[in-house]
Amino acid sequence: DVKVTQSSRYLVKRTGEKVFLECVQDMDHENMFWYRQDPGLGLRLIYFSYDVKMKEKGDIPEGYSVSREKKERFSLILESASTNQTSMYLCASSPLRLRGYGYTFGSGTRLTVV
Amino acid sequence: GQQVMQIPQYQHVQEGEDFTTYCNSSTTLSNIQWYKQRPGGHPVFLIQLVKSGEVKKQKRLTFQFGEAKKNSSLHITATQTTDVGTYFCAGRRIIQGAQKLVFGQGTRLTINP
Repeated sequence: DVKVTQSSRYLVKRTGEKVFLECVQDMDHENMFWYRQDPGLGLRLIYFSYDVKMKEKGDIPEGYSVSREKKERFSLILESASTNQTSMYLCASSPLRLRGYGYTFGSGTRLTVV
Repeated sequence: GQQVMQIPQYQHVQEGEDFTTYCNSSTTLSNIQWYKQRPGGHPVFLIQLVKSGEVKKQKRLTFQFGEAKKNSSLHITATQTTDVGTYFCAGRRIIQGAQKLVFGQGTRLTINP
């Protein structure tokens, strides 16, 4: 069974802390994505990567950065956490060409910044 | 940028009633996908529609893609409590050679048993 694994289900961090959210997939997918999910706003794309060491900004990249040193791992970094970054963060992956297959999502990390 | 709007935001029905959610895009979509997210869960891929006017069925679920490829709908016949969750549509766009999906806001379905 294919999997996208996010390292933490729940996180509580203090304002100003540097936060790392980790995501690992075992499907050899080229594309990986970070979304945040907020009530009434759906899923908004933060960053994505279509290859190792490649990254592209999504729709809401401010306050975030990413790292993809290995194909299977895509990390989201909050340089200095703020309370407006309290949210559910979802990682997803997909093959380079979808061919009728959708994204596979991880279980999500619910981050609270206090 | 390309926007994908989804309505309604919430829908509450009695078990056995039908349910429909609608998705509209400001631009033509190359394809559209539908996802279901159970309460406390993560989005799970349901289906992809590619052709203009395409209709696909999965048991009690019927998915349609508009003729102009700017709108889509998901219809559930005779809802069951297992249908509870949030349904998202997502339209595909290509940026820097990578496929990105733009998600609608989702429709949250609750059911009275």
